[in-house]
This record gives sequence, C-alpha cells and structure tokens, in this order.
Amino acid sequence: EAQVTQNPRYLITVTGKKLTVTCSQNMNHEYMSWYRQDPGLGLRQIYYSMNVEVTDKGDVPEGYKVSRKEKRNFPLILESPSPNQTSLYFCASRAGAGTSYEQYFGPGTRLTVT
Amino acid sequence: AQTVTQSQPEMSVQEAETVTLSCTYDTSESDYYLFWYKQPPSRQMILVIRQEAYKQQNATENRFSVNFQKAAKSFSLKISDSQLGDAAMYFCAVVDSNYQLIWGAGTKLIIKP
Repeated sequence: EAQVTQNPRYLITVTGKKLTVTCSQNMNHEYMSWYRQDPGLGLRQIYYSMNVEVTDKGDVPEGYKVSRKEKRNFPLILESPSPNQTSLYFCASRAGAGTSYEQYFGPGTRLTVT
Repeated sequence: AQTVTQSQPEMSVQEAETVTLSCTYDTSESDYYLFWYKQPPSRQMILVIRQEAYKQQNATENRFSVNFQKAAKSFSLKISDSQLGDAAMYFCAVVDSNYQLIWGAGTKLIIKP
C-alpha cells in the first residue's frame, strides 16, 4: 500500500529535550515536506526537500532541522524544543516536476512541549 | 507573496442539501494547480479534488465539484447531497511559483442531521 508513515503519532516532552520525528514514504517520491498545523493558521511549511541531500527552508524553519540522506526518509529534528513548538506536524511527499503536485500526507504527529 | 483566503471559518448545512465553500487566491502565474483537501476528525489530510488552471472545464469528483473562475482568482468547492461523513475541515491550496503548496486557513463544515 502506498503510504507516508510518521512516528511517533503522539509525543509529550519537556523543554530542551532533543527529539526526532521520523517520516518515511514508499512511493519513490522525490519531494518531501514538513508542515505544522495550528488552529486558525492552516498548514505552514517548515522545511522541504526536492531530492536526496537537497533541503530548503519553508515559512517557519526556526527551531527545526531536517536531513535527507535517503530518498524515502525525511526526519524532523527539534534540537531544543520549546512550548511554542507544541503543534500538529505533518509529513508529506509527492512526485517530482511535471506532475500535478498533489501531496500525500502522513497521519500526523501531535507534539506537546511542556 | 502568494496568498490563499478562505473567508468562511465555519459553515453548516442540513444533511442532503448543497453547500459551497469559498476560496480566493493571489498568484502571478498563468498555469498552476489548485486543490481542496479534507481533514476529518481523524486528522488525516485527504485530497478531495484537483483543478488545473489551464483547463476551462471545472473538475468534478462524484458529489464534489468546483467553480473555478481564473480571472477572478476564485476556486469554490460545491458539495452536493451532503452526508454526515462530509463533516470536516476543508482546506484550499494553490501551487506557487516555487512549486510549494500555499494553504488557506480552512473552513470547518458542520453537517446537521
């Protein structure tokens, strides 16, 4: 089954404790992206990757890191989480240029930072 | 910067009736894609419908159709014969000049039984 998986689905942590949210897709997609969703703000892009070893900042990159060492994986790293990073996080992927740019989403990760 | 505006934070409709969700956007591109995504209480983001700007014909997927007005930069979603399972947040999104999706803030759709 074609899918994007994220782990963990729920995470409660404390300020300053480094964490990683994993994302993996099995569709051989070139493009992957991370979003955060907050009430009334829709989805805001954190980082995206056009291909392996190619990453770029989205609209709200502060406090986050990413890496793309393999095509299928795109982990999101919070080196020192803060309460304002409490949010719902989505990973998404899509095929490369020349397509419809439809994005496929993971199930979401609910992160709470206390 | 490109923007997407959904002016209705919340809409409600009686089951079996028709409802239209509005979306307007700002872009300088001549060819682009537009999407409506649905987010039910499960939080999963699900593609509802896709429109290619160069196509004059409005996209349709079963009970879901769009009214795409390119000159007015308007992309509304019509849901016919509303069902309880249609209750969700609906997001409009447009592909920008960097091939990224720009999202509206969403419209919460309530279905009254």
